[in-house]
Amino acid sequence: AQTVTQSQPEMSVQEAETVTLSCTYDTSESDYYLFWYKQPPSRQMILVIRQEAYKQQNATENRFSVNFQKAAKSFSLKISDSQLGDAAMYFCAPTGGTSYGKLTFGQGTILTVHP
Amino acid sequence: DTGVSQDPRHKITKRGQNVTFRCDPISEHNRLYWYRQTLGQGPEFLTYFQNEAQLEKSRLLSDRFSAERPKGSFSTLEIQRTEQGDSAMYLCASSFGEKLFFGSGTQLSVL
Repeated sequence: AQTVTQSQPEMSVQEAETVTLSCTYDTSESDYYLFWYKQPPSRQMILVIRQEAYKQQNATENRFSVNFQKAAKSFSLKISDSQLGDAAMYFCAPTGGTSYGKLTFGQGTILTVHP
Repeated sequence: DTGVSQDPRHKITKRGQNVTFRCDPISEHNRLYWYRQTLGQGPEFLTYFQNEAQLEKSRLLSDRFSAERPKGSFSTLEIQRTEQGDSAMYLCASSFGEKLFFGSGTQLSVL
């Protein structure tokens, strides 16, 4: 079973600046993936970035990157050069083992981007 | 790739009525998932299918809920004798590996 904690209910950032969203998790799986999803006001869940737990190298996807600390079970998301379209609810979610796709979502962090 | 499609987008029903939602996954995806999301919370896993087989069900899925995926294509989620506590967004997702692709959801309101 997995648990997820997103300790920042809300964050804000100025356009073009950088912001980091935090996430800690606990899992009994030895092999798993970690995801960040965003949910804009339309409520469609959109995959932002994925990290394989066995890889030490942090995943990067354009302006989005993660800081994955496996021993600490920490998985933060950094958004560089923030854009107005980044405003959304962001969810951290681990999965793994035979339960690929059975995601455990955190409570979410609402990100506001100021022009 | 036309994405995951869900129908209807919104459903308003009276307590005690039955409702059915449909999900059409991305065509080459063999796995299909149902999640439920209440306002201000993250989605919660309900159940998933690999092809036509329902492989796991959450304890959240009471006896009033039933899901099917005939022929491993589209899926339906039925809620019988709806209760006000069933009001939520019902999200469908599909995958071929570990990445899930979500539909836009069906927002259910039980009056």
